[in-house]
Amino acid sequence: DAGITQSPRHKVTETGTPVTLRCHQTENHRYMYWYRQDPGHGLRLIHYSYGVKDTDKGEVSDGYSVSRSKTEDFLLTLESATSSQTSVYFCAITPGGGLEQFFGPGTRLTVL
Amino acid sequence: RKEVEQDPGPFNVPEGATVAFNCTYSNSASQSFFWYRQDCRKEPKLLMSVYSSGNEDGRFTAQLNRASQYISLLIRDSKLSDSATYLCAVNMGWNGGYNKLIFGAGTRLAVHP
Repeated sequence: DAGITQSPRHKVTETGTPVTLRCHQTENHRYMYWYRQDPGHGLRLIHYSYGVKDTDKGEVSDGYSVSRSKTEDFLLTLESATSSQTSVYFCAITPGGGLEQFFGPGTRLTVL
Repeated sequence: RKEVEQDPGPFNVPEGATVAFNCTYSNSASQSFFWYRQDCRKEPKLLMSVYSSGNEDGRFTAQLNRASQYISLLIRDSKLSDSATYLCAVNMGWNGGYNKLIFGAGTRLAVHP
């Protein structure tokens, strides 16, 4: 258990609405990541964070923004959801000094 | 060419069989590699890390072939409970602010009685 929770676990929303997903960790890990997973694709990095208020883009960041105001919380926002953002979203952390990433349980998002 | 490629499968094998999956990568400078197991509708879970030529954990063996740029996962004496999707991940090195990890799309394994 990586000590990561994600909320909500499932969400159905409509095109054009804003959506915020939350990732919460309890072990003060510095690095946190947001990925999306789609059939036929590997996990693709959306954004990552290397500390409070320190974030940067990954390979598929268009249409997404993030915020990290506290070590334990990393928020992913879809400002105006589109059907192409229907996906499973995973949060991950890297424990200090390591290279491995450990994943939260995921959020299944459907945009109608 | 994708940075990390895996045969999607499915690999259908009987219980007790030995099965191997390959994962090819494009960056010859990559130094660390990971295998994850992902059950249906669950998160990926780290199965094994590989930092040198290989690693072994019980029935699972990972081997690295740097010359041909692939890493393999061998599962011996397959169990029904091994049925899952196996994801390969390759560390592409420091990418400005983090160690960039690229994932393959996964290989599905189905073990049958």
